[in-house]
Amino acid sequence: AQTVTQSQPEMSVQEAETVTLSCTYDTSENNYYLFWYKQPPSRQMILVIRQEAYKQQNATENRFSVNFQKAAKSFSLKISDSQLGDTAMYFCAFITNNNDMRFGAGTRLTVKP
Amino acid sequence: NAGVTQTPKFRILKIGQSMTLQCTQDMNHNYMYWYRQDPGMGLKLIYYSVGAGITDKGEVPNGYNVSRSTTEDFPLRLELAAPSQTSVYFCASSYDGTYSYNEQFFGPGTRLTVL
Repeated sequence: AQTVTQSQPEMSVQEAETVTLSCTYDTSENNYYLFWYKQPPSRQMILVIRQEAYKQQNATENRFSVNFQKAAKSFSLKISDSQLGDTAMYFCAFITNNNDMRFGAGTRLTVKP
Repeated sequence: NAGVTQTPKFRILKIGQSMTLQCTQDMNHNYMYWYRQDPGMGLKLIYYSVGAGITDKGEVPNGYNVSRSTTEDFPLRLELAAPSQTSVYFCASSYDGTYSYNEQFFGPGTRLTVL
């Protein structure tokens, strides 16, 4: 079965601090793509960062970076210098060659001033 | 470009009624998807399409039907609405979906309540 587990339903962080959101997944496929999506109160789904499973180098996008551990099937998201606008639900997801994107249940992140 | 648009934004249905959720994209994307998001949960794939005339089931297809007569449009049909279909529905599209790095672009969602 292809599943995504986000073990932290809620997290909070002080503005300007760093926070890490956890994600583990399970798949029998060897090649796949991993994503973190952000969903603010507006409900719009916004891509934050993506990672190709065959690449060992961790992806980075400005203040966002991932720690991808393929053997452990772990894909955590680190947000540096947290900003108030980072407050949102964050979803970890992956897609394999069957076109079926699987999402985790999400982590609600609150950035406190 | 408007991106992915969905109508309506909100809808209340009575049990047994039917309706169609509309989805249109203007990015000339081949792949389109329908997801549902239940409260406190992640998105689950209902149906997807890899091009006009081709559709396939996702993780939770029961109670829904889709069609793809054009590249731009991908309507989702509920024939006999049930309370279990109360959810927020998202349409998405991507240039390529198979085994792909490509981003899925999402619409703003339709909040459906079945009473």
